[in-house]
Amino acid sequence: KAGVTQTPRYLIKTRGQQVTLSCSPISGHRSVSWYQQTPGQGLQFLFEYFSETQRNKGNFPGRFSGRQFSNSRSEMNVSTLELGDSALYLCASKSGTGELFFGEGSRLTVL
Amino acid sequence: ILNVEQSPQSLHVQEGDSTNFTCSFPSSNFYALHWYRWETAKSPEALFVMTLNGDEKKKGRISATLNTKEGYSYLYIKGSQPEDSATYLCAPSSNDYKLSFGAGTTVTVRA
Repeated sequence: KAGVTQTPRYLIKTRGQQVTLSCSPISGHRSVSWYQQTPGQGLQFLFEYFSETQRNKGNFPGRFSGRQFSNSRSEMNVSTLELGDSALYLCASKSGTGELFFGEGSRLTVL
Repeated sequence: ILNVEQSPQSLHVQEGDSTNFTCSFPSSNFYALHWYRWETAKSPEALFVMTLNGDEKKKGRISATLNTKEGYSYLYIKGSQPEDSATYLCAPSSNDYKLSFGAGTTVTVRA
């Protein structure tokens, strides 16, 4: 069974640009969550999608958005990038027992 | 998002020794408590999902207990091995199903 796949793994952007990250969950998992990790911080919850609907949202500005497609794949978008958006972005799909299965992450560097 | 505290932030353990550390969280509206292990250069991996007060779960040499009334969980590692070196994250959720991750306890096992 394939795991959670995130693309791209690494990317470099400049301030003001936008970025789109992609996440393919484990087959059969309908819930996809996104987290941000910055140095010295724990995993910060961005949002969760279930059956193409945003079910939960963290405390991030509106520059952070996401969506989920009918095949459960999800994308997150960050517009007008700031230096502080440099982070590891993790996506996780949720099993029926509530466990999260994480991808390897997309490491974003904003210059 | 819940206020989650994990202590200590880091610890060093001699190979063969046992250790434990704590996760504290608000006890109101508790739904579930997750533990994850995050090894360097890998994705976080689920260890346990616990829901009942007094629950105790075990996976190999690692076990966890849960006290939902006072809002804490302990994770124990018996006979630590170098492969146990990782950051251990706890994440409680309330009845909105959002997981709030602690900053983690980083365990380094010295051979």
